[in-house]
Amino acid sequence: AQKITQTQPGMFVQEKEAVTLDCTYDTSDPSYGLFWYKQPSSGEMIFLIYQGSYDQQNATEGRYSLNFQKARKSANLVISASQLGDSAMYFCAMREASTGTASKLTFGTGTRLQVTL
Amino acid sequence: GAGVSQTPSNKVTEKGKYVELRCDPISGHTALYWYRQSLGQGPEFLIYFQGTGAADDSGLPNDRFFAVRPEGSVSTLKIQRTERGDSAVYLCASSLAPGQGYYSSYNEQFFGPGTRLTVL
Repeated sequence: AQKITQTQPGMFVQEKEAVTLDCTYDTSDPSYGLFWYKQPSSGEMIFLIYQGSYDQQNATEGRYSLNFQKARKSANLVISASQLGDSAMYFCAMREASTGTASKLTFGTGTRLQVTL
Repeated sequence: GAGVSQTPSNKVTEKGKYVELRCDPISGHTALYWYRQSLGQGPEFLIYFQGTGAADDSGLPNDRFFAVRPEGSVSTLKIQRTERGDSAVYLCASSLAPGQGYYSSYNEQFFGPGTRLTVL
């Protein structure tokens, strides 16, 4: 079974609108962390936001927020007030604590976001 | 300060040849990771170093792949007898070790720009 599932291969959003990118995950580990990364066409992975499994509140970082629904095992990324520079691939990733605090990330297949005028 | 750097940015080789890919992590980061990203996919974990030792090499696909980090800083990913299926972008990332610094709670991984390997 896939550990991280991103069901939207591509999304379009108009500039200044909000968009939600979906991510569901699968783990039996009670302690885990969820990450979102942005990958522009240049190829570099840029960290956006993190949510820990024990965090009581949804994470927020500027225009990025994470809609964390633990019972549903979903961690959707919400980008508010989209900008043209937000056009990129977005990856959801998970680290399971059983494999160590500084250990591997498991990534989804990504969602390509295109922001239009 | 400088981010993670990788050289070369592009490498074209012929099937059966040997290649080395280099990663220079952020200064002070003791954890270093290698990932491979095939076209249209997310990065896949290859190997993780804590200091000089490989703490987890479970992602290396076969014994043609090997990585070293002799002094706990720069790492080299080595691929022997390359195959066309090895063509991908190889990403390196580094992070602080557990307990170090502000990010100790989740140890964000900082990625380099990648090396695009093409095996003809």
